Amino acid sequence: AQTVTQSQPEMSVQEAETVTLSCTYDTSESDYYLFWYKQPPSRQMILVIRQEAYKQQNATENRFSVNFQKAAKSFSLKISDSQLGDAAMYFCAYGGAGNMLTFGGGTRLMVKP
Amino acid sequence: DGGITQSPKYLFRKEGQNVTLSCEQNLNHDAMYWYRQDPGQGLRLIYYSQIVNDFQKGDIAEGYSVSREKKESFPLTVTSAQKNPTAFYLCASSIGRPAGELFFGEGSRLTVL
Repeated sequence: AQTVTQSQPEMSVQEAETVTLSCTYDTSESDYYLFWYKQPPSRQMILVIRQEAYKQQNATENRFSVNFQKAAKSFSLKISDSQLGDAAMYFCAYGGAGNMLTFGGGTRLMVKP
Repeated sequence: DGGITQSPKYLFRKEGQNVTLSCEQNLNHDAMYWYRQDPGQGLRLIYYSQIVNDFQKGDIAEGYSVSREKKESFPLTVTSAQKNPTAFYLCASSIGRPAGELFFGEGSRLTVL
């Protein structure tokens, strides 16, 4: 079974600064997807970014980018120019041949004004 | 607008009572899922369904039941056999295989009195 580990229960960042959230996963599959989801206080899960494992190029969505290291099974999220609205729980998720996603335990991000 | 609707948003239950959480989607997605989220923790899969009239147990199916009689609907029943049902429940859907992006509802918070 696949496992997803987020080793940072909490992180904080100063507004306008950059922060990186870590995620590692364990799998024997070669083809899969990785995701970062954001859960703000409203509790609605929102997709931040996705990465296909067969793509070597790291995904980017505006201020959000990933560092995907397939051999190391690492998938970190970098948030640039942090904003107060970025404060939320962030979940890393793995999707493989099965038809469901496996989620990490989450990282709570606090943004200081 | 297309999306996933969960109801009720808040639900209180006495011990020993069964309750049913509703989940409806108009995204024409084949796959639907139920996840449980406990405070400060990640999401754990309860049940999922890839097609009408078929569903599979997830990691924590004991004490829960589901049905998938229509493509749009995937209700979750929390039975009296569930020992610790107080939690936040999230319903999601996706296009299907391979495990791609999940679209989430706003969640239902169940409290057992």
